[in-house]
Amino acid sequence: EAGVTQSPTHLIKTRGQQVTLRCSPISGHTSVYWYQQALGLGLQFLLWYDEGEERNRGNFPPRFSGRQFPNYSSELNVNALELEDSALYLCASSPPGLYNSPLHFGNGTRLTVT
Amino acid sequence: DAKTTQPNSMESNEEEPVHLPCNHSTISGTDYIHWYRQLPSQGPEYVIHGLTSNVNNRMASLAIAEDRKSSTLILHRATLRDAAVYYCILRDESGTASKLTFGTGTRLQVTL
Repeated sequence: EAGVTQSPTHLIKTRGQQVTLRCSPISGHTSVYWYQQALGLGLQFLLWYDEGEERNRGNFPPRFSGRQFPNYSSELNVNALELEDSALYLCASSPPGLYNSPLHFGNGTRLTVT
Repeated sequence: DAKTTQPNSMESNEEEPVHLPCNHSTISGTDYIHWYRQLPSQGPEYVIHGLTSNVNNRMASLAIAEDRKSSTLILHRATLRDAAVYYCILRDESGTASKLTFGTGTRLQVTL
């Protein structure tokens, strides 16, 4: 069984630019979660998508947005990049209907904003 | 909102058992206790979870206090490959944002 895959693995952008990160969940999983992990910090919850709908959102500004496609893959978009957006962005997936089930994480996209 | 508290770091010798504590004094009756670990340069990996009873799997054991206000992840024989950051979080059916955020976890160092 293929795990959660994220692309790209690394990305360098300039302040003010926009970026799109992609995530493919495990086959059969319908929930996708996005997290930000700044250097030396814990994982901050960004967004949760389930069955194509945004179910919950963490304490991040509106320039962080995303969507989930009919095949349950997901994109995270960040507009007007700021230096403090430099972080590891992690995607996780979980099976349908069980919101307390384990999360399965990808290895993340490392975003550097200069 | 329920949240967890863990020590910042712990050390262990290889081949010895490790007990990683987690406090969750405001846990509600429907919260499951989950443990994950994150190896360097990787995403977090699920370790174990439980509700009320102690749980065992091939990776670890989870001991849950009778009042559920604390739990302990037990690695029976630590190896160098167990050196990681261990996170304890609470998850429930509501999927509230506060229960989807991980803290800074416990950094486990394993030495020869």
